[in-house]
Amino acid sequence: GNSVTQMEGPVTLSEEAFLTINCTYTATGYPSLFWYVQYPGEGLQLLLKATKADDKGSNKGFEATYRKETTSFHLEKGSVQVSDSAVYFCALAQGAQKLVFGQGTRLTINP
Amino acid sequence: GAGVSQTPSNKVTEKGKYVELRCDPISGHTALYWYRQSLGQGPEFLIYFQGTGAADDSGLPNDRFFAVRPEGSVSTLKIQRTERGDSAVYLCASSPQAGPSYEQYFGPGTRLTVT
Repeated sequence: GNSVTQMEGPVTLSEEAFLTINCTYTATGYPSLFWYVQYPGEGLQLLLKATKADDKGSNKGFEATYRKETTSFHLEKGSVQVSDSAVYFCALAQGAQKLVFGQGTRLTINP
Repeated sequence: GAGVSQTPSNKVTEKGKYVELRCDPISGHTALYWYRQSLGQGPEFLIYFQGTGAADDSGLPNDRFFAVRPEGSVSTLKIQRTERGDSAVYLCASSPQAGPSYEQYFGPGTRLTVT
């Protein structure tokens, strides 16, 4: 079945550091790929998405590229801020957009 | 506008009891999803509705779990004979329609604790 594996956390960085959170997936066919974020005390929000191979999703300085050859969708940001502290979930969907999530990566940014 | 709302925000119940969890989707959204999130894990799909009908209930863990959406708007997730393993945060999401082009908007969740 479909599955998503994320880099284990927690991840702690200093402000302005470069961020990478790894995500790989297993799926038949060509799923859509997503990153969701959960800020402290808030619900899950869509951060970015890509619906086909080589697409790049981007939002709020975050980027992720759909790599079919490596079945990956790694999240990157060039310079993180304290306000980026949150839990990040990689997810995939096929068909009717039933989401399959990774286990989440808790990110803490220190000033 | 109003987002997805879920009630109650917290529910504590005794093992063996029956519970109902409610989801109010964004007005006009035809697709509605239920997920369950255990501590330290990502959400797991339970069931999804397109309109009034359950289009995919493959994630319901057993026949103690049931969900309805009688008028195509509000949905209720019902759990019979609750067990301690049912303790989790239950999330609801809605989208304008089903499909990868449509974002799912999540509610804040209901934290269920079975004692």
